[in-house]
Amino acid sequence: QQQVRQSPQSLTVWEGETAILNCSYEDSTFDYFPWYHQFPGESPALLIAIRPVSNKKEDGRFTIFFNKREKKFSLHIADSQPGDSATYFCAASPDTGYQNFYFGKGTSLTVIP
Amino acid sequence: EAAVTQSPRNKVAVTGGKVTLSCNQTNNHNNMYWYRQDTGHGLRLIHYSYGAGSTEKGDIPDGYKASRPSQENFSLILELATPSQTSVYFCASATSSAETLYFGSGTRLTVL
Repeated sequence: QQQVRQSPQSLTVWEGETAILNCSYEDSTFDYFPWYHQFPGESPALLIAIRPVSNKKEDGRFTIFFNKREKKFSLHIADSQPGDSATYFCAASPDTGYQNFYFGKGTSLTVIP
Repeated sequence: EAAVTQSPRNKVAVTGGKVTLSCNQTNNHNNMYWYRQDTGHGLRLIHYSYGAGSTEKGDIPDGYKASRPSQENFSLILELATPSQTSVYFCASATSSAETLYFGSGTRLTVL
């Protein structure tokens, strides 16, 4: 059972465009929603995260939009750069005290100069 | 910065053989995790631990065992390796509040 669904599987945008990556979840106990990015040959690293007390979290060109009612959240990458080309994973974690993370299957983003 | 070290970086094993993947973290994190990464599946949790002496099953524990002998070390053990266990394995650590997973560099395992 896939706890977190992610789309699209791959995405290509031109430099300067906004890339939009989408995720959804089923479990209403999920309380923490991070995004990780992974460059080729490297390990995943935390990019940005949100808790549902807020419906938006910004960090430079990266913004998470969160819709608790629809159980959806998305990552917007504004002014995409070729250096943003990577695989992006959304994740969700319940507020259970030990934080087991459920990851989406990933979106491979390519930014064309 | 959190430091998580995995060994070996690459491993070739034969079907039916025993494989041990090791992970060491120097950040005094309570939580440690083992994930495998496969194309089309993302990151899937195999085992995790809250601290020395504890191990818990994740989402895909079948065919794997884990051992946490100390705060710093967390091992993943494949008693009877199979070709379906060919994958990239990542170890990660986090504090008890676990807002950030710190991943190691990964181990690429090939089972022939």
